[in-house]
Amino acid sequence: EIVMTQSPATLSVSPGERATLSCRASQSISSNLAWYQQKPGQAPRLLIHGASTRATGIPASFSGSGSGTEFTLTISSLQSEDFAVYYCQQYHNWPLTFGGGTKVEIK
Amino acid sequence: EVQLLESGGGLVQPGGSLRLSCAASGFAFSSYALAWVRQAPGKGLEWVSGISSGGEGTYYADSVKGRFTISRDNSKNTLYLQMNSLRADDTAVYYCAKVSGSGWSFDYWGQGTLVIVFS
Repeated sequence: EIVMTQSPATLSVSPGERATLSCRASQSISSNLAWYQQKPGQAPRLLIHGASTRATGIPASFSGSGSGTEFTLTISSLQSEDFAVYYCQQYHNWPLTFGGGTKVEIK
Repeated sequence: EVQLLESGGGLVQPGGSLRLSCAASGFAFSSYALAWVRQAPGKGLEWVSGISSGGEGTYYADSVKGRFTISRDNSKNTLYLQMNSLRADDTAVYYCAKVSGSGWSFDYWGQGTLVIVFS
């Protein structure tokens, strides 16, 4: 099983600042990585697939990068609606696995 | 508009069974793989099971293999999850998710149905 490790667990950021979230895979997953955003009481929302391709309707303030084992989600300028939990997920091998999540909170 | 509506959750005792359903609309149901993902209270996301567009391929997390069965009825645009031998650690919100057209990422999710296994 591929283990996905996200860091940090919590990120405190001021509105308007940049947020950088990390995700590491225990073995190479090429670019088979997705990022999701989840707000309290809501289902997750797909942000990025293929490590760097924004999903439909996702603003350009969200960007993904990386390949192999190291990946990054960057939110260029945090808005109030961006404070949430973010998960990465690999779909390179079965079983599909998620990272433990990074909570982005208001500083 | 893509919609996924789960149902069938509830309270069940350990060892019991439940069948979850996910009614889909707004897309060509028979053309897409689907999956179930769960989230225990206050915890992260855990992929549970997936099924190919035609139903011939099914995939399971080790934690549910042999106990859960995923299926679909393309004539009814409905996805199912039969859950047997339920355990306390199966307690979670269960989400139905549509697989995107490019790999097994999930581009649409239902709102989830809560399963509570209690003794």
